[in-house]
Amino acid sequence: GAVVSQHPSRVICKSGTSVKIECRSLDFQATTMFWYRQFPKKSLMLMATSNEGSKATYEQGVEKDKFLINHASLTLSTLTVTSAHPEDSSFYICSASSGTSGIRGSYEQYFGPGTRLTVT
Amino acid sequence: GEDVEQSLFLSVREGDSSVINCTYTDSSSTYLYWYKQEPGAGLQLLTYIFSNMDMKQDQRLTVLLNKKDKHLSLRIADTQTGDSAIYFCAEPDSGNTGKLIFGQGTTLQVKP
Repeated sequence: GAVVSQHPSRVICKSGTSVKIECRSLDFQATTMFWYRQFPKKSLMLMATSNEGSKATYEQGVEKDKFLINHASLTLSTLTVTSAHPEDSSFYICSASSGTSGIRGSYEQYFGPGTRLTVT
Repeated sequence: GEDVEQSLFLSVREGDSSVINCTYTDSSSTYLYWYKQEPGAGLQLLTYIFSNMDMKQDQRLTVLLNKKDKHLSLRIADTQTGDSAIYFCAEPDSGNTGKLIFGQGTTLQVKP
């Protein structure tokens, strides 16, 4: 159980175009989804938190107009990189959580396999 | 804010034990997590420990928790080449947002 998929796994796009990445929870309802960015040999950088049906909460320094996040259903969140530039090339990973049990700390997040974005 | 620290690299020989260490700052964390990331893949939840436990064992994995020193370790017995990966420890953030605070990740290299 707790499988999260991402699509596409790899994408190459030209500078100035937009790219959409999908994150799906396949066998559970994800009330919260997280989007991360990972640079080579670096830790995960949380970009934003999205709750189903509400606007995403972006981390400091992340441009919300450039990285559009939509969490339209309990099983799907999308990240759109608008007007992509080579510096946006990175590994983007989503995770999904079914929420807490009410006890602080039970925050299991299930991760997708990641999307490698290359902007030329 | 919370901070989670890990050493960046560990190299062991196949068959040896590996110990990956982590320190954290939020003493009120209820759960602490270990994730594994294989090359080019997402993160896989490896194990977790509840804060009222000192130790948790699951097959080749042993998690030790020292709450007094805010120190967490992951021991992998009989390390195999397939264990080569990046290992992240994580704790929940203190704001009850559902976010996890990750360490920098420890790259485990297993030599044959």
